[in-house]
Amino acid sequence: GDSVTQMEGPVTLSEEAFLTINCTYTATGYPSLFWYVQYPGEGLQLLLKATKADDKGSNKGFEATYRKETTSFHLEKGSVQVSDSAVYFCAPRSYNTDKLIFGTGTRLQVFP
Amino acid sequence: DGGITQSPKYLFRKEGQNVTLSCEQNLNHDAMYWYRQDPGQGLRLIYYSQIVNDFQKGDIAEGYSVSREKKESFPLTVTSAQKNPTAFYLCASSIDITDTQYFGPGTRLTVL
Repeated sequence: GDSVTQMEGPVTLSEEAFLTINCTYTATGYPSLFWYVQYPGEGLQLLLKATKADDKGSNKGFEATYRKETTSFHLEKGSVQVSDSAVYFCAPRSYNTDKLIFGTGTRLQVFP
Repeated sequence: DGGITQSPKYLFRKEGQNVTLSCEQNLNHDAMYWYRQDPGQGLRLIYYSQIVNDFQKGDIAEGYSVSREKKESFPLTVTSAQKNPTAFYLCASSIDITDTQYFGPGTRLTVL
């Protein structure tokens, strides 16, 4: 079945460091791909998305490129801030069922 | 303001009692969803509705029930048959089932 794998957290960085959170997926067809962010005690917010191969989603300095050949959608940011501390979820949407597939998420902790 | 509201933010109930969680949206979305999140885990789909007066079971529907009598509202009832009801419950909606899902702020249910 469809699945997603994210790197284990927590990812701990100093402010202004470069961020990469890896995400790979297994799915039939060409799913749309999403990154959501969850701040403590809150719901999920859509961060960015890409709907076809080679698309780049971007928002608030975060970027991710839909790589069909490696079935990946890695999240990057050039300079993180303390306010970016949160849990990040990569979620492909199943091509067959239209359901979002969630992994356990990756916790990011940014220190001043 | 357009958005998704869930109330209350925190809910406490005694074991053996049914409890209903509210989810309302004013985005004119046809599709609505209920997810459950346990500590350190991803989201699991409980029920979803593509249109008024229609809903389908998700991956973990046992012990839950829903109704969709109005487009704006999709209440979730956690019944006494649910073995481990304590969790964070998230509601989401989308224009239709193939479109991007947007999430509410969540309700944290604690069963004592």
